[in-house]
Amino acid sequence: QQPVQSPQAVILREGEDAVINCSSSKALYSVHWYRQKHGEAPVFLMILLKGGEQKGHEKISASFNEKKQQSSLYLTASQLSYSGTYFCGSSNFGNEKLTFGTGTRLTIIP
Amino acid sequence: DGGITQSPKYLFRKEGQNVTLSCEQNLNHDAMYWYRQDPGQGLRLIYYSQIVNDFQKGDIAEGYSVSREKKESFPLTVTSAQKNPTAFYLCASSIDQRDYGYTFGSGTRLTVV
Repeated sequence: QQPVQSPQAVILREGEDAVINCSSSKALYSVHWYRQKHGEAPVFLMILLKGGEQKGHEKISASFNEKKQQSSLYLTASQLSYSGTYFCGSSNFGNEKLTFGTGTRLTIIP
Repeated sequence: DGGITQSPKYLFRKEGQNVTLSCEQNLNHDAMYWYRQDPGQGLRLIYYSQIVNDFQKGDIAEGYSVSREKKESFPLTVTSAQKNPTAFYLCASSIDQRDYGYTFGSGTRLTVV
């Protein structure tokens, strides 16, 4: 089943923070996060595995809550380059396929 | 530089014709995937392959076919049986299916008229 992302879209001013959530109806094994700019290929940001640590680099980090079957992506002090559509992809126990959410469109304005 | 090459970038075909989309990778990845992207629907898995000469259907395989004769290549054929083939098609590869991130190609935008 497709993970549910929220919000569907968000507009921020440069320097503000954003949180994007990804929820699954089944127990999660892994969650991937990708960013896609218009007309381009999605770019891998990070992966979180069950029992793993919170991942991140620079001002983009993510968490994995096994009990809530949810992952959240945190963008701190957003930059114009952060604009794009963010997708989470999740895999569940007993199903190795990665299923993507419908995406969250993030727009950063000066 | 290592990566995934999809060709062509844009493709136009008449209704009822089969068309093959190319995907080549030089990353030495075992797993390869085909996704279809429609506005507002995210990425939907068409087919995937974890090893040469083996592939599995994804969530929307009807009307599509693939082959994996070489590790580097995973072409997708959109057949005339696919009812609504106009879409953006993305090929991806990874070291394995769950524990490593995917590398995507730049995509092929197919328009059927």
